[in-house]
Amino acid sequence: DGGITQSPKYLFRKEGQNVTLSCEQNLNHDAMYWYRQDPGQGLRLIYYSQIVNDFQKGDIAEGYSVSREKKESFPLTVTSAQKNPTAFYLCASSSANAFNQPQHFGDGTRLSIL
Amino acid sequence: QQQVKQSPQSLIVQKGGISIINCAYENTAFDYFPWYQQFPGKGPALLIAIRPDVSEKKEGRFTISFNKSAKQFSLHIMDSQPGDSATYFCAAGNTDKLIFGTGTRLQVFP
Repeated sequence: DGGITQSPKYLFRKEGQNVTLSCEQNLNHDAMYWYRQDPGQGLRLIYYSQIVNDFQKGDIAEGYSVSREKKESFPLTVTSAQKNPTAFYLCASSSANAFNQPQHFGDGTRLSIL
Repeated sequence: QQQVKQSPQSLIVQKGGISIINCAYENTAFDYFPWYQQFPGKGPALLIAIRPDVSEKKEGRFTISFNKSAKQFSLHIMDSQPGDSATYFCAAGNTDKLIFGTGTRLQVFP
């Protein structure tokens, strides 16, 4: 089955710790995205990548970092600089390198502070 | 100019009724208006989307109505079912960005 796999489903971060969220897709999509979802808010874009070895900051990139070494993989690191990391993190992909094309989402990772 | 305002925040509908969720956007350069459905603990799934060259699009029980002059669009769920209970997000965008509404939690009671 083609799709987007996010892991882990739940993640806990200690003070001062960096954590990495995994996102893998087997849809052969060029574009991949990371969003943050908070209660009562819409999805906010953290980073996106339209091609391997290239990525762009979204609206709320501070305290996060990404890499795109392979087409299928787009991991997100939540660094200790992100002071309010508790949220539901969603990874998405799209076959076209444009935001006005369908995006397919994974089932998310819920990150909490210990 | 980049906001997408969605209402209502929550909606309770009787089984068989019509659910209506509204969104308004500000940027006239937006040319893509999707609706996503999200169940608890899951990622959003694309339900239906419309481009501004048409005023209405229907897929099964789901219909998008689009009013370009008013910069508004809405989702209508006909014959609402308990299985439709979920959070619905509208979005508006173009090639450079996609802005999401804040979501509507729909509950359909038998």
